[in-house]
Amino acid sequence: QVQLVESGGGVVQPGRSLRLSCAASGFTFSTYAMHWVRQAPGKGLEWVAVMWFDGSNKYYADSVKGRFTISRDNSKNTLYLQMNSLRAEDTAVYYCVGGGSSYGPADYWGQGTLVTVSS
Amino acid sequence: DIVMTQSPDSLTVSLGERAAINCKSSQSVLYNSNKKNYLAWYQQKPGQPPKLLISWASTRESGVPDRFSGSGSGTDFTLTISSLQAEDVAVYYCQQYYGTPFTFGQGTRLEIK
Repeated sequence: QVQLVESGGGVVQPGRSLRLSCAASGFTFSTYAMHWVRQAPGKGLEWVAVMWFDGSNKYYADSVKGRFTISRDNSKNTLYLQMNSLRAEDTAVYYCVGGGSSYGPADYWGQGTLVTVSS
Repeated sequence: DIVMTQSPDSLTVSLGERAAINCKSSQSVLYNSNKKNYLAWYQQKPGQPPKLLISWASTRESGVPDRFSGSGSGTDFTLTISSLQAEDVAVYYCQQYYGTPFTFGQGTRLEIK
């Protein structure tokens, strides 16, 4: 069955960096657009970034542009999110999400990993 | 950016009654070349990740009970639960995937009366 397992979350000080990983299985990862979506505690969903299936395009929310970088390794079925210059407002559960096509719905969701930015 | 606005923010409905959640986009999410609305609905229960219920505004995902239906086109959409069950208590989100950023609505909390 489809599995998306995020890792790399934790507590980090403001201004520091963190790298999230997402290991995918149970579907053909290399044919799926992959997203990161986050949810601050008690708040709604915020789309963060997407990378096309072949890595040819990537897009970001304005709130993370210039600080976060999405990448993928199709040979390892793994998605990444490099988060730099972290701020308190980046505190959230980060979900790894698989979308069938570049402009398509979010079919598969991981369980999420919590990132807490605090001094 | 396309802004998605849901109404109401919260909804209380009796078991067996109908529930309707609205979603309005700040610009059309209907792609004229294929006549598809790039709009999805998700259900999120406490402590769980969201689950895709409906895609392309009205296509129910496999395994989703047929009491859930989606309707609308262009800028105005509705998620309807025809007969509310206890297990439908959740927060519901709409999302447009017409253009980046792929924005979500603020969510609608559905509770039992």
